[in-house]
Amino acid sequence: AQKVTQAQTEISVVEKEDVTLDCVYETRDTTYYLFWYKQPPSGELVFLIRRNSFDEQNEISGRYSWNFQKSTSSFNFTITASQVVDSAVYFCALSKLIQGAQKLVFGQGTRLTINP
Amino acid sequence: DAGVTQSPTHLIKTRGQQVTLRCSPKSGHDTVSWYQQALGQGPQFIFQYYEEEERQRGNFPDRFSGHQFPNYSSELNVNALLLGDSALYLCASSLDSGRFLYEQFFGPGTRLTVL
Repeated sequence: AQKVTQAQTEISVVEKEDVTLDCVYETRDTTYYLFWYKQPPSGELVFLIRRNSFDEQNEISGRYSWNFQKSTSSFNFTITASQVVDSAVYFCALSKLIQGAQKLVFGQGTRLTINP
Repeated sequence: DAGVTQSPTHLIKTRGQQVTLRCSPKSGHDTVSWYQQALGQGPQFIFQYYEEEERQRGNFPDRFSGHQFPNYSSELNVNALLLGDSALYLCASSLDSGRFLYEQFFGPGTRLTVL
C-alpha cells in the first residue's frame, strides 16, 4: 500500500524566513512519482513539481527547492525568503501508473502561514 | 487556454437526496479523476475515467458513480447522501500517454454540504 506522511500540521513563520515542509512516503514499487501541490484559500490545487523515482536530482525553481532522498523515502520542499503570498496548504502526493491509470495518494497537508 | 472547470461551486442537499457534479477538463486532456476532500484532510481518490470508462476506483461505495462523455467532460453522481459526504469534490484532468505519467490539473472544486 502507498502512504504519504506530512508530520507538520501547521507552520507559522515571519516573512523572509526560510521554511522546509517535510514529506515521507511509503511504497513497495520501484517506479513511482512524487508531487507537491499548493492549495490556496480558493480551494484549487496548484501543481508545483513532479519527480519520478529514478531522478534524485534536487530541483530549484526560483525561491522553491525540492530535496528527494530515496534512502530516507523523503521529498522535502523548501521555500527561501518566504512571502505572505506563500501562505496556503501544501500537499505532498505519491502516484504510480496502473495499467495506464494514475491515482494520487495525498498526505494530510501542511498549513503554512507567512506573517508580515 | 481554459483550465479545469467545475459546476456548481456550492451545493446544499439533505440526507437521502442525490447529487450530480460536473467537470470539464483542461483543453487537450482526455482523462478525468475525481477526489473527495473532507475538511482539514488531503484529497481522497474516488475514481478515474478514460475513453468513457471507469478504469480505476478508490475505496468508495457504489453510491458514488460517474460518467465521461465523448467530449471528455465528466459527471460525478452520489446517491442516498449521508452527512459524511459533505466535502469539497475536486476534479482533475490529465493527458493519457500510456507509459508516461503526466501531472493532474485540478479544478476549483464543488463544496457539497449535506444537512
